[in-house]
Amino acid sequence: DAGITQSPRHKVTETGTPVTLRCHQTENHRYMYWYRQDPGHGLRLIHYSYGVKDTDKGEVSDGYSVSRSKTEDFLLTLESATSSQTSVYFCANGAGNEAFFGQGTRLTVV
Amino acid sequence: GQQLNQSPQSMFIQEGEDVSMNCTSSSIFNTWLWYKQDPGEGPVLLIALYKAGELTSNGRLTAQFGITRKDSFLNISASIPSDVGIYFCAGQALTGANNLFFGTGTRLTVIP
Repeated sequence: DAGITQSPRHKVTETGTPVTLRCHQTENHRYMYWYRQDPGHGLRLIHYSYGVKDTDKGEVSDGYSVSRSKTEDFLLTLESATSSQTSVYFCANGAGNEAFFGQGTRLTVV
Repeated sequence: GQQLNQSPQSMFIQEGEDVSMNCTSSSIFNTWLWYKQDPGEGPVLLIALYKAGELTSNGRLTAQFGITRKDSFLNISASIPSDVGIYFCAGQALTGANNLFFGTGTRLTVIP
């Protein structure tokens, strides 16, 4: 069990507005990840964290930023949402070579 | 990013049949994982493989880590309706950050 809570579960926002997605873990896993899932692309890594205040870019990081001020929380921010960022976003955590996923946030940018 | 080719893209099978799907990579991985995703849910880890040649089972599921470190397969025996879903492979590279690259999934439909 990932022990992950993502919020919100669904969001509709307008182009150009900032959006923050939240991920909270009840486990004490060192690693946390943000992925996006799109048809035909599977899951792609946006950013990840390997500790408090330690983050790095993933495969599709442009237009996104993250912050991890506490072990249990990992925030994903879209500074200025675009229609191409309409997607399902998954947070995941793990202690090593595995990743355990939350239930996802469906974001629609109109 | 890493290229993971997962096949087949979709499968329609009769209940009770066995299923096989595989994943190949252009790069070497040191970990292979297999996930299942139900509609509206996040992927759930089924099997983790950490060593080349490793064969691991989880109930009716069996997965193997290829000797070349560039491939893995998942078998499901005696399929049942609740096996329906999308199956993803994921690989972790030898070098670089502790993150996973995913295949594009195999959509499995089981016909009762």
